[in-house]
Amino acid sequence: DAKTTQPPSMDCAEGRAANLPCNHSTISGNEYVYWYRQIHSQGPQYIIHGLKNNETNEMASLIITEDRKSSTLILPHATLRDTAVYYCIVRVVGGATNKLIFGTGTLLAVQP
Amino acid sequence: DTAVSQTPKYLVTQMGNDKSIKCEQNLGHDTMYWYKQDSKKFLKIMFSYNNKELIINETVPNRFSPKSPDKAHLNLHINSLELGDSAVYFCASSQVGQGKDTQYFGPGTRLTVL
Repeated sequence: DAKTTQPPSMDCAEGRAANLPCNHSTISGNEYVYWYRQIHSQGPQYIIHGLKNNETNEMASLIITEDRKSSTLILPHATLRDTAVYYCIVRVVGGATNKLIFGTGTLLAVQP
Repeated sequence: DTAVSQTPKYLVTQMGNDKSIKCEQNLGHDTMYWYKQDSKKFLKIMFSYNNKELIINETVPNRFSPKSPDKAHLNLHINSLELGDSAVYFCASSQVGQGKDTQYFGPGTRLTVL
């Protein structure tokens, strides 16, 4: 079972920041927070991951609370092409079993 | 250049048939995976191979048999297809290592069993 909880859907206006929350209250000390997204009819796409510190890359920013029990994915300037299901996943990195356990995710609808 | 490719993209077949789906990655990764996404959109791991060795087998029926001829290929053969096998099957690959096992997914194969 997925160890994360996300809202089923969110709306965002084009050009505005999209903030997607994720709760992972049972996260272990060696588990990272990963974010993937799945645009309709495509394979999941890696966005970003982090352990404790906030992270930023060309796609998004990841804010992890100090107690690590929740995080927020930020898309700074959402476009229509960002409409997708966003998955928050917690997992150990580098272990022998590297499977991703997907939950139900958040359907982000970017509105024009 | 496609990093993870799958063939075919669509597969329509009759119940009871045997079919194969092929996956290739040109990323030089040592680990490959098969995931299944059912009609309710749940994505679930099926198998994982590391350097051609089976690592993960998630209680998948024996009718499903993965085969990895080399590190760059992981094929999925399905015997005696059933209606419930209809789904989208995604292949993925990663390079296992501390902080380096981001998984990259293929475009998927939509299997329809009639």
